[in-house]
Amino acid sequence: DADVTQTPRNRITKTGKRIMLECSQTKGHDRMYWYRQDPGLGLRLIYYSFDVKDINKGEISDGYSVSRQAQAKFSLSLESAIPNQTALYFCATSTTSGGAVPGELFFGEGSRLTVL
Amino acid sequence: GQNIDQPTEMTATEGAIVQINCTYQTSGFNGLFWYQQHAGEAPTFLSYNVLDGLEEKGRFSSFLSRSKGYSYLLLKELQMKDSASYLCAVLGAGSYQLTFGKGTKLSVIP
Repeated sequence: DADVTQTPRNRITKTGKRIMLECSQTKGHDRMYWYRQDPGLGLRLIYYSFDVKDINKGEISDGYSVSRQAQAKFSLSLESAIPNQTALYFCATSTTSGGAVPGELFFGEGSRLTVL
Repeated sequence: GQNIDQPTEMTATEGAIVQINCTYQTSGFNGLFWYQQHAGEAPTFLSYNVLDGLEEKGRFSSFLSRSKGYSYLLLKELQMKDSASYLCAVLGAGSYQLTFGKGTKLSVIP
């Protein structure tokens, strides 16, 4: 089983619908991230959380919100989806403990979202 | 902020050596990462450099020059399975956020 699990893996929705992408991890990491990836634009940070009570905006947070329900769970919501939010979304985790490489990210398998 | 540049695409022959360059401009620096990403899959960690010099790991090596804002990833004895995108990413000072370049798509041909 994957250490970082994203659901759903694929979703097609319509403009204006509310969408939630969920991420759960069994790595025991304190830090969690949401990125989106678009062809030619690379990975861009949407939101990140360094612990349950800490939520921070990334480079492209407009149109998105997040919730850190527990150390192991971090969900991304699109309140009213629009076509330019069509992208591949990745959840990732990292840790500062246990001799880990600082900042090394462990990615989920991705959630492909299409907004029509 | 961070600005990271790497070539968009490269092609190399199976068995050959290829070097993928990355230049960066940053207001703070805590290290540089290389990730490999096969099409439709998640990125996976390849290397981390925080000090100047060369880090070797099997067929892959990564070099860093902090004074020049420059890194490269060297892939030796190329195999078809090395066809992937290679992402350069910089870790900013004072936090643990990675900023990614747009990636270099490497095609390995027979």
